[in-house]
Amino acid sequence: DQQVKQNSPSLSVQEGRISILNCDYTNSMFDYFLWYKKYPAEGPTFLISISSIKDKNEDGRFTVFLNKSAKHLSLHIVPSQPGDSAVYFCAASAMNNNDMRFGAGTRLTVKP
Amino acid sequence: DAGVTQSPTHLIKTRGQQVTLRCSPKSGHDTVSWYQQALGQGPQFIFQYYEEEERQRGNFPDRFSGHQFPNYSSELNVNALLLGDSALYLCASSLGLAGEDTQYFGPGTRLTVL
Repeated sequence: DQQVKQNSPSLSVQEGRISILNCDYTNSMFDYFLWYKKYPAEGPTFLISISSIKDKNEDGRFTVFLNKSAKHLSLHIVPSQPGDSAVYFCAASAMNNNDMRFGAGTRLTVKP
Repeated sequence: DAGVTQSPTHLIKTRGQQVTLRCSPKSGHDTVSWYQQALGQGPQFIFQYYEEEERQRGNFPDRFSGHQFPNYSSELNVNALLLGDSALYLCASSLGLAGEDTQYFGPGTRLTVL
């Protein structure tokens, strides 16, 4: 059962523009959400997270938005840079439950 | 500050064999989780070790077992390998059991079963 879904396998944007990566989840028990970035031959690297008590969390060029009623979250990257080109994974977990569920990932390509 | 390390990098086995993968957590971390990432998929949680005990397990058969040592390093063992076990195996470490602790991932071990 795929409880976390990233429906766009790939996304291509121009350098300097905004990148928006989307993620949907089905389990209403999830209360903590994370985004990881993965370069080839490396493990996923933590990028940003958000707790269900918030609807927005910002860290520099990265902002995550959470819409609990729609069970949807998104990652905004502004401005996008070529070094942001990677696979981005959305992940979710429930309080005190370490079975973190990942989406299938979205490959972001930022063109110079 | 050493991050999460895994060995070996790559491994080729045949069906029915057994394999052991190793993980050293990030310095200061005491909790190790293992994930399986099939091609084109996100990582899938296998299990988590804390204080040398398996604390939580995902939907994986008993062929998948693990161990955590007093120095917090961990092993993942897979018995009776199947072709479908071919995947990237990721180890992640964190501090404590709280689900919100950020997990740091190693580069993974690429297992190919022929």
